[in-house]
Formats: sequence, structure tokens, C-alpha cells
Amino acid sequence: NAGVTQTPKFQVLKTGQSMTLQCAQDMNHNSMYWYRQDPGMGLRLIYYSASEGTTDKGEVPNGYNVSRLNKREFSLRLESAAPSQTSVYFCASSERGAHGYTFGSGTRLTVV
Amino acid sequence: GQQLNQSPQSMFIQEGEDVSMNCTSSSIFNTWLWYKQDPGEGPVLLIALYKAGELTSNGRLTAQFGITRKDSFLNISASIPSDVGIYFCAGMNYGGSQGNLIFGKGTKLSVKP
Repeated sequence: NAGVTQTPKFQVLKTGQSMTLQCAQDMNHNSMYWYRQDPGMGLRLIYYSASEGTTDKGEVPNGYNVSRLNKREFSLRLESAAPSQTSVYFCASSERGAHGYTFGSGTRLTVV
Repeated sequence: GQQLNQSPQSMFIQEGEDVSMNCTSSSIFNTWLWYKQDPGEGPVLLIALYKAGELTSNGRLTAQFGITRKDSFLNISASIPSDVGIYFCAGMNYGGSQGNLIFGKGTKLSVKP
């Protein structure tokens, strides 16, 4: 029962480096999301994909890009990492019209 | 945009005590959700509420959807050490985009055995 799988679990980047966070779900959900979690800030939506082939900006999209590769996979890319992007990143998925999101276990990213 | 005020920010309680936390919003929601996040893991859905006034239980957890649709509370009875974690409320409205689940900033619960 994999649910939502995120890779990697931990990553350290130098300022200016790029990387892609991977997310895959095996529940045949239509919608997928990327959140970042910072102390005292709760969960903030970066980007989401309501269905395969569509993506939209969330609350904090600057500095990120996304790709909905297929129905299962939704990746988040940092083109030029900045220390302000140090955070824990969560991917989630849901069935369209349903309100319960299933979250992955997170990627802890540190930018030095 | 819509914001949720969740309180308290943190709680330190003794095992066996009851816990209460709440969320308020400046605008109405059609759905309220409560999530729990264990250390090092992603949030997991505990309870979903779909109607104003609705009271729903899940074991020792009870949550209510406020009559005004602008608030919700979560109670945990007879707390145990495994209740430790961060509890998030979330509100959502029907229609529009799928990206409209708004999260509170969380209540961090610590339970002393």
C-alpha cells in the first residue's frame, strides 16, 4: 500500500544548484499538489495539478516549476536553489471532488 | 485570501487529560478537515466535516463544524503518548479550482506520560 511516494527523503543543495523532487501516486487520483512546510507557517501550496495535462500556481510558486508527467507523477523543480527554499516539501494527491488529500512522507531540503 | 487561525499553537499536557483545539476563519467554508502529522511524516486525515453543525467522532477524537461555517474544533479525550504530533485544520469550498484547501498553522501537542 504505497500511496504517495516522494524521492529523495533528504537533500542538501548549494545555492544556485538545481534539482527535481519526484512524486508518484498509485491510487489513480486525478489531482496532485506540492506543499512546503516551514516552522510556524503551516502548509503552503506551491503548485497543483487538477488533472493530467494541467498545472496551476498556488500561494507560493516563485522559484519553482512543475511537470505533470502522467497521471501518476508530478515533479517539482528548483532551477536555482536559494536558502529561502530550505523547507520540508510534501506531495499530495486526491480524487477530483473528494476532500481528503493523501500526503507523501516528505522531502527535507536544505540549501546552504 | 482566506486565512485560518488555529489555536493554541502548542499544548503540553499530562497523559489522560482531554485536549481541545479550534480553528476560525474570516470567511465561510463548505468543508472542514482535521489532519494529524507524526514527526517525520506527512499529514494524515483524521476527520472530515461536510455540514454546518455536524459533530463527528473517530475513536477518542470528536470534531464539530461550526454553525456559522467559520469555525471548527477538535477534542481528544483521555490523551495517550501516541497522540503526540501536530494537528492541522483545513478548510475547503466547493467549486472553482482544486487547489483551494486552506491549512491552519497547526497545534503542536506534547503528552507527558
